Amino acid sequence: QKEVEQDPGPLSVPEGAIVSLNCTYSNSAFQYFMWYRQYSRKGPELLMYTYSSGNKEDGRFTAQVDKSSKYISLFIRDSQPSDSATYLCAMSKLLGNEKLTFGTGTRLTIIP
Amino acid sequence: EPEVTQTPSHQVTQMGQEVILRCVPISNHLYFYWYRQILGQKVEFLVSFYNNEISEKSEIFDDQFSVERPDGSNFTLKIRSTKLEDSAMYFCASTPMVEIGNTIYFGEGSWLTVV
Repeated sequence: QKEVEQDPGPLSVPEGAIVSLNCTYSNSAFQYFMWYRQYSRKGPELLMYTYSSGNKEDGRFTAQVDKSSKYISLFIRDSQPSDSATYLCAMSKLLGNEKLTFGTGTRLTIIP
Repeated sequence: EPEVTQTPSHQVTQMGQEVILRCVPISNHLYFYWYRQILGQKVEFLVSFYNNEISEKSEIFDDQFSVERPDGSNFTLKIRSTKLEDSAMYFCASTPMVEIGNTIYFGEGSWLTVV
């Protein structure tokens, strides 16, 4: 079983829709959970950072962590064409970001 | 917005040749990383570097790889004798310190093609 699993998509939704992106993980040692956005041929850009279980909201983005189910989610409200990118979940076991384990990424397209 | 800069953006090299990928991390950052992404695959951790020494490395980072911070600003990744399977996008990253909520900033990557 892979440490971090993420549906690669592709996922296409109409503009304005709510997008739900998810990752599951197998190692209960993961404590810090992140979502990165990656545009084609660019480096990953941090969107959201959560520690342990719970929700975190930042503008149109909400990150959820359910450690009991080993499941994390990213919700994008009022999706825009500029949100079209690959979304990577990442997690780490130690304080901070010493070594990130990434999911494979979900390719998202928002259709105008 | 400060950024991590990487050179070259793309390099083609012959198998067996040495390659050096260069990075200029953000100036007040103390922790430096290299990650790689083989085409179509996930981003993978290679190595972390702090206080002029490697703090952690993955099983990918074997004796063919080395890192160096030669002059206090550049951070380099050297691949001694490249193999076909080293073809990937290599990302340099940095962070000011390792604490909860700190952002790792990634560069735009150096695309390495080994032929």
